[in-house]
Amino acid sequence: GAVVSQHPSWVICKSGTSVKIECRSLDFQATTMFWYRQFPKQSLMLMATSNEGSKATYEQGVEKDKFLINHASLTLSTLTVTSAHPEDSSFYICSAPSRGTEAFFGQGTRLTVV
Amino acid sequence: GQQVMQIPQYQHVQEGEDFTTYCNSSTTLSNIQWYKQRPGGHPVFLIQLVKSGEVKKQKRLTFQFGEAKKNSSLHITATQTTDVGTYFCDDVENAGNMLTFGGGTRLMVKP
Repeated sequence: GAVVSQHPSWVICKSGTSVKIECRSLDFQATTMFWYRQFPKQSLMLMATSNEGSKATYEQGVEKDKFLINHASLTLSTLTVTSAHPEDSSFYICSAPSRGTEAFFGQGTRLTVV
Repeated sequence: GQQVMQIPQYQHVQEGEDFTTYCNSSTTLSNIQWYKQRPGGHPVFLIQLVKSGEVKKQKRLTFQFGEAKKNSSLHITATQTTDVGTYFCDDVENAGNMLTFGGGTRLMVKP
């Protein structure tokens, strides 16, 4: 099946620094990718929709300047958490639709801000 | 997107017992998908239901879409420890394939 690769799988960073997370579709082109955040024992919450060649669409309550999304090509979307703080610690996961409506998820990135 | 409610939030069962999780919406769902997320892992697609009243089976798993397309259920017969995880339903909005996840049901199976 289609594969979505997300990197890194985990990262620890200092408060105030920025962290970039990459999401790649390995065997298909994805004009759209979705970024989710999942806090412990909670559901996945959509943060933003990444669109190749245009600006990302952010969900209500998600700060555009803090969570920078760049969809550089048909196979790569990046999420940069700028000036990270401990409350940004979470599990971030991307997904891309393929073959109709089925979504394929990346492996997720566990971010810990200390 | 629509709000999709999922019950129960948690379920402990003894291995061999059956398990059911329900997905409910106040509005009509487009298509319903079910995912399983193992502890520490990422969601894995299980199945998609499209038609009103549709029933699909995967081994011990039975998925059902309500006649009014406002609810769905996932039933596991004779649970095994490998069934442990969180089961999510989500409504797929056809435009853009945006997913609206339910809160998930965390299944724990005692051996």
